[in-house]
Amino acid sequence: TQLLEQSPQFLSIQEGENLTVYCNSSSVFSSLQWYRQEPGEGPVLLVTVVTGGEVKKLKRLTFQFGDARKDSSLHITAAQPGDTGLYLCAGNPGTYKYIFGTGTRLKVLA
Amino acid sequence: NAGVTQTPKFRVLKTGQSMTLLCAQDMNHEYMYWYRQDPGMGLRLIHYSVGEGTTAKGEVPDGYNVSRLKKQNFLLGLESAAPSQTSVYFCASSLQGGTQYFGPGTRLTVL
Repeated sequence: TQLLEQSPQFLSIQEGENLTVYCNSSSVFSSLQWYRQEPGEGPVLLVTVVTGGEVKKLKRLTFQFGDARKDSSLHITAAQPGDTGLYLCAGNPGTYKYIFGTGTRLKVLA
Repeated sequence: NAGVTQTPKFRVLKTGQSMTLLCAQDMNHEYMYWYRQDPGMGLRLIHYSVGEGTTAKGEVPDGYNVSRLKKQNFLLGLESAAPSQTSVYFCASSLQGGTQYFGPGTRLTVL
């Protein structure tokens, strides 16, 4: 069974702080996605990374795919209360389906 | 354009009862998925479909059945509900395995 472990599981920080969330696996993925989910809603895609070593930026969010395509990180600069939510990574092992990570619940305090 | 919709939003069942969850998408997507989400476990794939009339098992298929009679609809059935099936169920669709668009979820409680 392929697993994607996310760390930390929970994170509570003050507005303006920086943070990094990690997504790790022993398996290789052809692509990896990051989603954000708010209470009572379904996950919404933030980004897809497909190349080992790839870095993508989305405003204050920076996503990196590991060189070996087994891990990824999400870095948020100057976090805001609007960043609060559940962050999920999802890896595609090369089939029609994605394997989802265990999730990181972020709370940004004003 | 409603995207992905799910019916019902909430449901409470007694052990042994049956029910069907309906997922509908209006984006003409080929692929559709059913996931369950439990605390600390992320999303786990139950069943998926790569086209009308086709279905396949995911990671946790036991106790569930699915049907994809029409391209826009994907039904998830529980024949005899158990307390272990208490969860939030999400449907998603995608165009040939790309970006997945999720519905708002169905919160199911089995007593």
